[in-house]
Amino acid sequence: EPEVTQTPSHQVTQMGQEVILRCVPISNHLYFYWYRQILGQKVEFLVSFYNNEISEKSEIFDDQFSVERPDGSNFTLKIRSTKLEDSAMYFCASSPANTNTEAFFGQGTRLTVV
Amino acid sequence: GEDVEQSLFLSVREGDSSVINCTYTDSSSTYLYWYKQEPGAGLQLLTYIFSNMDMKQDQRLTVLLNKKDKHLSLRIADTQTGDSAIYFCADEGATNKLIFGTGTLLAVQP
Repeated sequence: EPEVTQTPSHQVTQMGQEVILRCVPISNHLYFYWYRQILGQKVEFLVSFYNNEISEKSEIFDDQFSVERPDGSNFTLKIRSTKLEDSAMYFCASSPANTNTEAFFGQGTRLTVV
Repeated sequence: GEDVEQSLFLSVREGDSSVINCTYTDSSSTYLYWYKQEPGAGLQLLTYIFSNMDMKQDQRLTVLLNKKDKHLSLRIADTQTGDSAIYFCADEGATNKLIFGTGTLLAVQP
């Protein structure tokens, strides 16, 4: 079965440092998403991306966050200057169409900011 | 804004049926989803229902949707220990972002 791959599985970083979370979506998918889940809280939408631009972003996705599809296969989430409250599990998802009925999620990257 | 709520915990005995409930507020839902999350793993899509349907059956899974009350349920027949996981209800509205519930931890006792 095709899968969305995220690396690393766990990242520990110091407050104020930049981190890049990487995702390899399924190859024929066109729509890409990032979600996050702070420990004990709901899974929250961050951003959706299509045709090399952001389609929608949540109020969480402020100027510290950016997304990129640098080489046609990877889809990255960059956090410019991490804060303690950025500690969470970050999930990438991809879909061939503009609906979640065929979307797949990656296994997540656990980001710990110390 | 839109909200999705679920009970936090459900415990059942192996072989019994499990029913996990969810309520949502979005009036423009297109699809409603159930995801399963096992420890250390990602979100696995279990099933979904189009907002104009009231029931969908898929092997041991039955989804019931009461659109008037904005209530969604997932019934798992003949629950097995391998079904122990967190189950998330999610709502897809006019934009296709997902709004997730808090998740229900299903514990299956042998």
